[in-house]
Amino acid sequence: GENVEQHPSTLSVQEGDSAVIKCTYSDSASNYFPWYKQELGKRPQLIIDIRSNVGEKKDQRIAVTLNKTAKHFSLHITETQPEDSAVYFCAAEGNTGNQFYFGTGTSLTVIP
Amino acid sequence: GAVVSQHPSWVICKSGTSVKIECRSLDFQATTMFWYRQFPKQSLMLMATSNEGSKATYEQGVEKDKFLINHASLTLSTLTVTSAHPEDSSFYICSAVTGAGPQHFGDGTRLSIL
Repeated sequence: GENVEQHPSTLSVQEGDSAVIKCTYSDSASNYFPWYKQELGKRPQLIIDIRSNVGEKKDQRIAVTLNKTAKHFSLHITETQPEDSAVYFCAAEGNTGNQFYFGTGTSLTVIP
Repeated sequence: GAVVSQHPSWVICKSGTSVKIECRSLDFQATTMFWYRQFPKQSLMLMATSNEGSKATYEQGVEKDKFLINHASLTLSTLTVTSAHPEDSSFYICSAVTGAGPQHFGDGTRLSIL
């Protein structure tokens, strides 16, 4: 299956600063890349996604960029707030469609 | 919309018993459901892909006889952990998708085997 790597594993930022999380994937056939936010003991929540026909997508303070040639994509959170603190997972769709392979997660802490 | 219900949320049982976990899509028909396992502070590991009316596709290294998956309808998939042992203790999460849309996750089931 797809191999997804995610960095960093932990990230601490001051409130108001930006946070960037990066992921790489191995299967060039992957076309869909969602990002999930998971708070402790809760379900992952989709926060943004991108398909391979676009290079960037933005939703208010959250943006995702995709470089298909290099097989990497990144999550950008601007003007971070304490409620952004959570674990963030990137994922890439498998080559047989629908399956997601998740990155190892990034624990983001926003310091007030 | 796109609500996925998972039951039970927490189960504790003795070693050797079998445990069934249900995953239901409440307001949509799920063409495919997925089962994940998540260890503390780790990522979601895909265990199997389940399509309604057909056998589940298991990821490499996942024992199909240990983790029985049934997907009898477009709104229900079940995962049965057979003869559970302490090493099976984990957080199990299902997700459901319709067509090529995003996956919608259940709340997860915390399984503790004594």
